Amino acid sequence: IAGITQAPTSQILAAGRRMTLRCTQDMRHNAMYWYRQDLGLGLRLIHYSNTAGTTGKGEVPDGYSVSRANTDDFPLTLASAVPSQTSVYFCASSLGQGQGSPNTGELFFGEGSRLTVL
Amino acid sequence: AQSVSQHNHHVILSEAASLELGCNYSYGGTVNLFWYVQYPGQHLQLLLKYFSGDPLVKGIKGFEAEFIKSKFSFNLRKPSVQWSDTAEYFCAVNAPRGSTLGRLYFGRGTQLTVWP
Repeated sequence: IAGITQAPTSQILAAGRRMTLRCTQDMRHNAMYWYRQDLGLGLRLIHYSNTAGTTGKGEVPDGYSVSRANTDDFPLTLASAVPSQTSVYFCASSLGQGQGSPNTGELFFGEGSRLTVL
Repeated sequence: AQSVSQHNHHVILSEAASLELGCNYSYGGTVNLFWYVQYPGQHLQLLLKYFSGDPLVKGIKGFEAEFIKSKFSFNLRKPSVQWSDTAEYFCAVNAPRGSTLGRLYFGRGTQLTVWP
């Protein structure tokens, strides 16, 4: 089934450790996103990529980095995890500029990765 | 920057009651509007969307939403809720231009609990 795959689904790690959340999509969407979801705050954009080879900062980028080497993969890295990064992380994708008509920017989400930093 | 306000943080209803969840956004230009639903333990799924045409949009599972441009609103409605509608509902908006097309701004969500 086409869609977005995230890994791991859940992880507990010690503060200061490095962690990479993986995201792969098979819909050939140009645009991909990382959101974090926290109780009472909704979803906040961390980083995004409009197309392979480009990335941009969202609302809450500090402490996170991303790369987009190809269309399908968009990993999110926490270089040195802190407890405030405990959250549920969702990867999403959408048709990019010039893809499809009408292109409303509708997002397709992965199942989420629950991260706990102790 | 755009912002999205959802008026209710938690709504509790009995089955068969009618539902209306409020959503307002702040952006003066053309927008696309979305409602997403997140069932317990699951990821977000699209409920319905508006991007042009009839301002009354019908989505899945009997939900509908009305875009009122003059009020910057996109309220979600359902005439008769079911226990299975228990979920968190998110309103989202984007400005349909170029590289910002997929930059959805989300409200903080409304938790709906339906008692059987």
